Formats: sequence, structure tokens, C-alpha cells
Amino acid sequence: TQLLEQSPQFLSIQEGENLTVYCNSSSVFSSLQWYRQEPGEGPVLLVTVVTGGEVKKLKRLTFQFGDARKDSSLHITAAQPGDTGLYLCAGDHNTDKLIFGTGTRLQVFP
Amino acid sequence: DAGVIQSPRHEVTEMGQEVTLRCKPISGHDYLFWYRQTMMRGLELLIYFNNNVPIDDSGMPEDRFSAKMPNASFSTLKIQPSEPRDSAVYFCASSHTVNTEAFFGQGTRLTVV
Repeated sequence: TQLLEQSPQFLSIQEGENLTVYCNSSSVFSSLQWYRQEPGEGPVLLVTVVTGGEVKKLKRLTFQFGDARKDSSLHITAAQPGDTGLYLCAGDHNTDKLIFGTGTRLQVFP
Repeated sequence: DAGVIQSPRHEVTEMGQEVTLRCKPISGHDYLFWYRQTMMRGLELLIYFNNNVPIDDSGMPEDRFSAKMPNASFSTLKIQPSEPRDSAVYFCASSHTVNTEAFFGQGTRLTVV
């Protein structure tokens, strides 16, 4: 079974703080996606990374794909309450179905 | 397009009853996925279809669960008989290919009492 472990599982911070969440696997991914899920809604795609070492920025969010394509990180600068939600990574191996990670639940307090 | 549409949004049923969840994928998407989400197990893939054909149902928990896709615009997930441990949020998602962006519906929150 291919597993995607995310850490930390829970994170509570104050508005304005920086944070990093991680997504790790023992297997190599063809590509990796990050989703955010807000309460009462389905996950929504934030970004897709496909190349080892790739870095993508989305406003205050920075996504990095590991050189070996086995791990990824999401860094949020100056977190805001609107960043609150469940962050999920999802990867595929050899263009197979997506496997979703265990998730990081982020709470940003004003 | 209105996105992936699921119904009902909430379902409360008694143990032993049959439950049917419905999904309308985004038009033009060839893949449809059914997921179950719980705090304990996260987001689990139950089954997915390609062009209305079931491809991988290895995530279906047991024979009480069944899914159909009679045409490109409609799919159902049925649980019969339902049990309290089936309580979860069930999501339907669709996409162009098996590993590209998945578009999720708003989910059906199922409570079996």
C-alpha cells in the first residue's frame, strides 16, 4: 500500500506567523498535488508539481517538490484566518490513480 | 458548468436501511471517483470509473457497498444494509484523466443511527 504521511497532523497558530507542512512517502511520484478543504466543502486544488526540485508560489504559499520526488512541503508566510482548513497532498505513481495524504488541519487565530 | 453535484447534502438513516448517494460529474470529464472521509481514516478512495466503466473497486469496504454509473452524467453509491460505522462524509469527484486535477462535490454527510 502506498502511503502519504503528512505532518504535523494539527497546527494552531496566530495570524501573522509562518508555517510549513510536509508530505512524505517512500515511493517516487510522477506528480504531486496540494489541495485545501474548508469546512463543509470538498477539497480544491491549489497547485500541481511535476519536476524534482520544483518550487511554485501562489501568493503567500510556497510549494516545493523534493529532488527525489518522494516528498513535498508547503510553506505559508504571514498566515491569515482565511488560510484555515485541511491541507491534503495527493500523488500518483506511474500515472496511476491519486493517493491522498493523511492531511494537516490548520487553524489560524486572529 | 455548475461543478460536481451531489445529493443529498445530509442523510440520517437507521441501521439496516438502504442508502443511495447520487452524483452528477462535470460534463466532459471521463473519470469519476467516490471517496469516503472520516477523522480516523482520512480521505479514502472507494471506487473509480473511466467512461462509465468501473476500473478499480479495491477500496469498497465490503459487499454492502455498490456503485453504478449508468451514463456519463450520473453515478450512484449504494449501501445496503447500512451500519453505524458507515457514518462519514462521502465525496464524488470527476476529472479529465486519472491523475489530473480532481474536482470534488460538496459531499454527502451520512449518519447511520
